Amino acid sequence: AQTVTQSQPEMSVQEAETVTLSCTYDTSESDYYLFWYKQPPSRQMILVIRQEAYKQQNATENRFSVNFQKAAKSFSLKISDSQLGDAAMYFCAYLVLLGNEKLTFGTGTRLTIIP
Amino acid sequence: DAGVIQSPRHEVTEMGQEVTLRCKPISGHNSLFWYRQTMMRGLELLIYFNNNVPIDDSGMPEDRFSAKMPNASFSTLKIQPSEPRDSAVYFCASSLHHSGEQYFGPGTRLTVT
Repeated sequence: AQTVTQSQPEMSVQEAETVTLSCTYDTSESDYYLFWYKQPPSRQMILVIRQEAYKQQNATENRFSVNFQKAAKSFSLKISDSQLGDAAMYFCAYLVLLGNEKLTFGTGTRLTIIP
Repeated sequence: DAGVIQSPRHEVTEMGQEVTLRCKPISGHNSLFWYRQTMMRGLELLIYFNNNVPIDDSGMPEDRFSAKMPNASFSTLKIQPSEPRDSAVYFCASSLHHSGEQYFGPGTRLTVT
């Protein structure tokens, strides 16, 4: 069974600084997707960034980028120039390509932005 | 596009009552998912549909839960009878089949007293 582990229940960062959230996963599959979702206090789940396992290049979306280490099964999220609106729960998630489309989520990291 | 629409946003009911949660997926999406979020168990998939057909309902907790998708633009999740342990946030999400990207609705916060 696939598992996703987020070892940091809480993180904080000074506004305008950079923070990295960690995620590791366990799978025997070779083709899969990895995601980071953001859940602000409004509880809406917002897709932040996605990475296909077959791509070596790390995905980036504006201030958000990932460090994908396939051999180590590691998928960290870097937020640059942190803003107050980045405060939220962040969930790492995994999905098997051409599988049953089930998203497996980690337990989340609560990110606080210090003004 | 309006995104995934869920109703109601909040539901408070008494134990034993029937609860129906509703979802309208993004137009053109052919996969639909129901998730439940609790403090104890986190986010877990209950059931998912592809082209209106249930594909995997292994996450449905028990027979009190049922889900239907009568057409491509509407799905329901029903709990009958409801119990206090069903209190949670229920999310609906939709995607294009095997696109890898699921888009979530705003969720329904259910409280069973």
